[in-house]
Amino acid sequence: ETAVFQTPNYHVTQVGNEVSFNCKQTLGHDTMYWYKQDSKKLLKIMFSYNNKQLIVNETVPRRFSPQSSDKAHLNLRIKSVEPEDSAVYLCASSQQGSNNQAPLFGEGTRLSVL
Amino acid sequence: QEKVQQSPESLIVPEGAMSSLNCTFSNSASQSIWWYQQHPGKGPEALISIFSNGNKKEGRLTVYLNRASLHVSLHIRDSQPSDSAVYLCAGDTNAYKVIFGKGTHLHVLP
Repeated sequence: ETAVFQTPNYHVTQVGNEVSFNCKQTLGHDTMYWYKQDSKKLLKIMFSYNNKQLIVNETVPRRFSPQSSDKAHLNLRIKSVEPEDSAVYLCASSQQGSNNQAPLFGEGTRLSVL
Repeated sequence: QEKVQQSPESLIVPEGAMSSLNCTFSNSASQSIWWYQQHPGKGPEALISIFSNGNKKEGRLTVYLNRASLHVSLHIRDSQPSDSAVYLCAGDTNAYKVIFGKGTHLHVLP
């Protein structure tokens, strides 16, 4: 099965802790993304990578850091979580140059910060 | 910075009716435009895309794009309860950045 896989599905933690989310795509795509989706369903892009290179880095607090070991993996680390970090974090991938190809999303990681 | 506005925020239709969703972009930067469907607890899933002015039909879905007015609409014919979901409009501002609207919550009543 080819798709975008995210782990964990859920994570509950306390303010100030460090968390890491994993994302892997088995589609052979060269571009990967992290999005944050708030409780009102607004999806905001955080980062995008192309062939392990950071391309897009939106206005995101410095406690967020993406990590890419190869073009199939893009992880997200949050160094010291804040209450406003509670959200669903969605990973996606796409292939550049493929006409009109929509980014394909994983199921998301739901983060709750107590 | 390009923005995407969607309307209505919420739409309730009876089973079998036509559902019409709207999306407006703040500028003409987006080359490709997609509609996504998102069910609770799931990631968004791309439904249909459009690139050129005009319309495109796939099954019960029809999408219209008017680049002059920066408006795109999605119409779902013969809406079913299983169509109940959040519908997200998205466009690519550049090759590596896809932005989304806030979504329309569609409820199809049996």
